[in-house]
Amino acid sequence: QLQLQESGPGLVKPSETLSLTCTVSGGSISSSSYYWGWIRQPPGKGLEWIGSIYYSGSTYYNPSLKSRVTISVDTSKNQFSLKLSSVTAADTAVYYCARRGRSIDYWGQGTLVTVSS
Amino acid sequence: NFMLTQPHSVSESPGKTVTISCTGSSGSIASNYVQWYQQRPGSAPTTVIYEDNQRPSGVPDRFSGSIDSSSNSASLTISGLKTEDEADYYCQSYDSSNHAVFGGGTQLTVL
Repeated sequence: QLQLQESGPGLVKPSETLSLTCTVSGGSISSSSYYWGWIRQPPGKGLEWIGSIYYSGSTYYNPSLKSRVTISVDTSKNQFSLKLSSVTAADTAVYYCARRGRSIDYWGQGTLVTVSS
Repeated sequence: NFMLTQPHSVSESPGKTVTISCTGSSGSIASNYVQWYQQRPGSAPTTVIYEDNQRPSGVPDRFSGSIDSSSNSASLTISGLKTEDEADYYCQSYDSSNHAVFGGGTQLTVL
């Protein structure tokens, strides 16, 4: 059974860079059938797609976040990562990593990242 | 920017049928597949419909999806409502640049 697990700091200071890693187990991140991505959900609000990456390194970013987002993949570790720069309180959210196949069919449990000094 | 608009909330009684709409802002909603996700409090979303009208294994056939090109909208219909269906539901599709787009979510109350 495929599992995704987010890891990274739960507290980030304003203007700093948020960094999260998603570790994939039970399957290979190098499968040609899937994209791997990040989605966030501010407390009490809806889902926002951040971006996706293919195992080859091709990326797709939400235009509203594109200038601050970098998603990368490490196939040797079966991991992919998110960096979001210059964070503000508006970036406080639960961050999910996920696999996109015919739908976003596998999600991590989510990790709350709070932006505060 | 392509957007998907959902009603903020809907409510219905157990045993009844409810339909949640998802309207595309531009272009044809039929151009890209629509997915529907169920999210219960404190949990990650799960897929209830993918590719407009396909149900993942394990999702009861009380859940169905459809596309109406005339209104540029997708719909999720849940029949025989159960209290366990109470959750937030999100539609999702893609814009012309392959960027995923979510609707704002609909809170379903079964009372």
